[in-house]
Amino acid sequence: EADIYQTPRYLVIGTGKKITLECSQTMGHDKMYWYQQDPGMELHLIHYSYGVNSTEKGDLSSESTVSRIRTEHFPLTLESARPSHTSQYLCASSPGQGESNQPQHFGDGTRLSIL
Amino acid sequence: KNQVEQSPQSLIILEGKNCTLQCNYTVSPFSNLRWYKQDTGRGPVSLTIMTFSENTKSNGRYTATLDADTKQSSLHITASQLSDSASYICVVSDRGSTLGRLYFGRGTQLTVWP
Repeated sequence: EADIYQTPRYLVIGTGKKITLECSQTMGHDKMYWYQQDPGMELHLIHYSYGVNSTEKGDLSSESTVSRIRTEHFPLTLESARPSHTSQYLCASSPGQGESNQPQHFGDGTRLSIL
Repeated sequence: KNQVEQSPQSLIILEGKNCTLQCNYTVSPFSNLRWYKQDTGRGPVSLTIMTFSENTKSNGRYTATLDADTKQSSLHITASQLSDSASYICVVSDRGSTLGRLYFGRGTQLTVWP
């Protein structure tokens, strides 16, 4: 059973629209992450957060932005979607203490298609 | 350059058979190595985590091994089931930052046939 939830699961939308992908976790984890994954490729970190009011960009450059106003909530926003944003977006979380040997817990992802 | 390479890229086996997936890495300094299972359309789920001092860890029918000297790991699946069909991802964490930077392999796509 999932303790980290992503909505929507699928989204097909036109170019230029503003999109917000939701991610919530009920485990009280301090650290949260957004990854981008294309078919057959590795996950790429695009954003992460150490806790409330903390956000950092990841390794892969992304035009998206994130916010962390509450511990449990880490939404990702695209102000103006383009076809190049088509991908799967995975949200994850992990405990703040002793994180190095703790697994990340992943949501089931949002598959985004921009027409 | 820190990298994680997995082989084979894909594998088809018959139900009930065993298989072994490989992971080679060049990540340094090393903190831990993780194996995840990702079902189609779902997020990855952790199978095992091994630190430098551990050379084997089991989770049910899954057994992971680690050779930190040669920087190789394997995931052995015993008595495969149809539900084992998934992508298996090797992930290596370094000790170079507070975040514990994760390096992901591209995964091995396993298909189990009846």
